Amino acid sequence: DIQVTQSPASLSASPEEIVTITCQASQDIGSSLLWYQQKPGKSPQLLIYSATILADGVPSRFSGSRSGTQYSLKISRLQVEDIGTYYCLQVSSSPWTFGGGTKLELK
Amino acid sequence: QVQLTESGPGLVHPSETLSLTCTVSGFSLTGYSVYWVRQPSGKGLEWMGRMRYNGDTSYNSALKSRLSISRDTSKNQVFLKMNSLQTDDTGTYYCTRDGYPAPYWGQGVMVTVSS
Repeated sequence: DIQVTQSPASLSASPEEIVTITCQASQDIGSSLLWYQQKPGKSPQLLIYSATILADGVPSRFSGSRSGTQYSLKISRLQVEDIGTYYCLQVSSSPWTFGGGTKLELK
Repeated sequence: QVQLTESGPGLVHPSETLSLTCTVSGFSLTGYSVYWVRQPSGKGLEWMGRMRYNGDTSYNSALKSRLSISRDTSKNQVFLKMNSLQTDDTGTYYCTRDGYPAPYWGQGVMVTVSS
């Protein structure tokens, strides 16, 4: 199975700061990586697909990038409404594997 | 359009069996695979298993001994059964399907394991 290691597990940042979350895949998954945001009591909401493409309606301060088997989600200017937990998900092969999540809090 | 709807009991007693149903519309179960994903309370997302379009199944190795996934194509339903439930199985259970640009998700069903 493909392992996906997400870091950091938690992050505290101030409004307007730049935030970066990374996922490292254990093998080549190409661009088959998604990023989700989840707020308490809600289902995960898609932010990024195909590693770098912004989903419809997602603010442009979110962006995704890829370098080999390392994937990053960047929030260019953190807003209060961005607080939540972020997950990456690889869908290159079954079983799908999720990163462990990054809980983003306001400093 | 593609829709997945989970249903099942909200409360299950410890050691009992969880039975969930995923009712789908907008696509055929013989054309697409359906997956179960869960989120134990306060924890991350976990892939549980898959019902392939051809009827084959595969399971998360950590759950395999307790888990069974089946389907009724005539009713457009996929079933999850997991036995020997414990309190740490409490959480939200989702069914999902492959899609582009991203998987389709049901709204999830909350399951509480408690006596």
